[in-house]
Amino acid sequence: NAGVTQTPKFRVLKTGQSMTLLCAQDMNHEYMYWYRQDPGMGLRLIHYSVGEGTTAKGEVPDGYNVSRLKKQNFLLGLESAAPSQTSVYFCASSSLLRTVYLHEQFFGPGTRLTVL
Amino acid sequence: GQSLEQPSEVTAVEGAIVQINCTYQTSGFYGLSWYQQHDGGAPTFLSYNALDGLEETGRFSSFLSRSDSYGYLLLQELQMKDSASYFCAVRDSDPAGTALIFGKGTTLSVSS
Repeated sequence: NAGVTQTPKFRVLKTGQSMTLLCAQDMNHEYMYWYRQDPGMGLRLIHYSVGEGTTAKGEVPDGYNVSRLKKQNFLLGLESAAPSQTSVYFCASSSLLRTVYLHEQFFGPGTRLTVL
Repeated sequence: GQSLEQPSEVTAVEGAIVQINCTYQTSGFYGLSWYQQHDGGAPTFLSYNALDGLEETGRFSSFLSRSDSYGYLLLQELQMKDSASYFCAVRDSDPAGTALIFGKGTTLSVSS
């Protein structure tokens, strides 16, 4: 099993460009999450999904959109990238039982995005 | 809202014991978890405490005191490979109750 994978691993954008980050998991997890990580700021939740076709806003949702058309995939979109969106983006997934009884999430390797 | 406080940096030598503290403020509490992240890597789950007391997993232990809104991660017999960032986390009080709120992380540097 690959676990949680993220595409691409690195990307450089110019201000105003758009892009989509893809997250895929093969563990049949119901829940999926997108975080961004900036130096000294820890992990901050952008959007999350508790099931196929459902999404919800996290702590820092502005400037991002998400979609979960298939259970195994969670897409994060930047419609008009800004330098403030330069960050490392992590996707994570979890099952209902692991979330409720362990708070255990499985993270992908991350996407390093630079917006010039 | 939720907030977690943990020291930004801790240093120690190989073979020593180190404790990383975490205090939290939450509107609803379901437990405290800990994650490890090596430089350039992804966070990985270490431990979870729902009830007061100490949970031991090999060289790592985690403690929770719900009355004090406080927990800590204890690392024993430190090794160089333990150099990493450590995050405490609590579950958010959102309606679905699945999201995690993370502290800003503690960077542990282990020297020989």
